[in-house]
Amino acid sequence: GAVVSQHPSRVICKSGTSVKIECRSLDFQATTMFWYRQFPKQSLMLMATSNEGSKATYEQGVEKDKFLINHASLTLSTLTVTSAHPEDSSFYICSARSSFGQGGYGYTFGSGTRLTVV
Amino acid sequence: RKEVEQDPGPFNVPEGATVAFNCTYSNSASQSFFWYRQDCRKEPKLLMSVYSSGNEDGRFTAQLNRASQYISLLIRDSKLSDSATYLCVVNIKGNYGQNFVFGPGTRLSVLP
Repeated sequence: GAVVSQHPSRVICKSGTSVKIECRSLDFQATTMFWYRQFPKQSLMLMATSNEGSKATYEQGVEKDKFLINHASLTLSTLTVTSAHPEDSSFYICSARSSFGQGGYGYTFGSGTRLTVV
Repeated sequence: RKEVEQDPGPFNVPEGATVAFNCTYSNSASQSFFWYRQDCRKEPKLLMSVYSSGNEDGRFTAQLNRASQYISLLIRDSKLSDSATYLCVVNIKGNYGQNFVFGPGTRLSVLP
């Protein structure tokens, strides 16, 4: 089945630095990837939708200059948290839409990245 | 009103019990529906899709009522390994195509 590899799984960084999170689709082409954020005891919230070769679309309230998304190929999307602050500490998960036969499709999640900003 | 709402939980049940979770959604144009399971500090994993005709997978039964905009998940003969947070997920047309909207989740603890 479709697999999405997300890296790193855990990162601790200092306030003011930037962190890059990668999501790769391993055995399929992901033209669209979704980036979510989950704070403790809360549900996943969509941050942005990225499409290969075009600019990402950000949800209301998400700063596009702070959360840089690049989807330069059909198998790789990256999220960079710039000038991270402690309030950015969260669980970040990507999801890719994968198609399968007969017009069906599914959504596959990466394993998530737990970001802690100190 | 939130787009997807679920029972607040937590549900603490003994092994072997039957437990039911409820979910409601506000967007009548929602097209597809799912139950996901999320273990602590892990990514969500698809448990089952939900169809209008209802569907069953072993001990799990999902129901959808489009008229009432209501989804349910029934777990029979619950196991310790069923302890997790269950997320009701609705596929809604977003800013760029379809996207998932997650409910807040209902936490289940199955006790020995």
